[in-house]
Amino acid sequence: KNEVEQSPQNLTAQEGEFITINCSYSVGISALHWLQQHPGGGIVSLFMLSSGKKKHGRLIATINIQEKHSSLHITASHPRDSAVYICAVSGGSQGNLIFGKGTKLSVKP
Amino acid sequence: EPEVTQTPSHQVTQMGQEVILRCVPISNHLYFYWYRQILGQKVEFLVSFYNNEISEKSEIFDDQFSVERPDGSNFTLKIRSTKLEDSAMYFCASSGRTGAPSPLHFGNGTRLTVT
Repeated sequence: KNEVEQSPQNLTAQEGEFITINCSYSVGISALHWLQQHPGGGIVSLFMLSSGKKKHGRLIATINIQEKHSSLHITASHPRDSAVYICAVSGGSQGNLIFGKGTKLSVKP
Repeated sequence: EPEVTQTPSHQVTQMGQEVILRCVPISNHLYFYWYRQILGQKVEFLVSFYNNEISEKSEIFDDQFSVERPDGSNFTLKIRSTKLEDSAMYFCASSGRTGAPSPLHFGNGTRLTVT
């Protein structure tokens, strides 16, 4: 069974800082998802990756299949980026995801 | 942008009662999922549904749970006899206009409280 580990568990940053959240998994995957969970509980999909790198606005996600590792970067962080960021992986079928515990990010003005 | 909608946002029920959680996935999506998140814990996969049948289910999804797509738009999760430990946030998601792996679109969740 795949194990998904995220680090750090908690992260406090000052507005404008560059942020990196890491995710490691133990078994080969078909895709890796980065999700954002708002304080109210809702979940938004940020990225789905199977190789390489993706960018959307100030967010960048990378994955290294050989090392079984992915990173989520936030450039020029802003208080509205404060949320829990969750890494999740799928083995064969999409949707049957194994989730990490999440990284709680707090960006101070 | 199309959204996945879930109702109700909060459901309180007594132990032993049946509950039905409702979801309207994005139209033309082909894959539907339920997840749950017990307070303070990580999100867990419950079940996936494709072509009007369950395609995968987790160990959590025992005989107390069932899913249905009764009318081509709604996707429901039924818990037959709720237990205290069923208290959690339940998320519905959908994906896959084309049948290829694609990003998931989540609803805002239903918070189920079993008393």
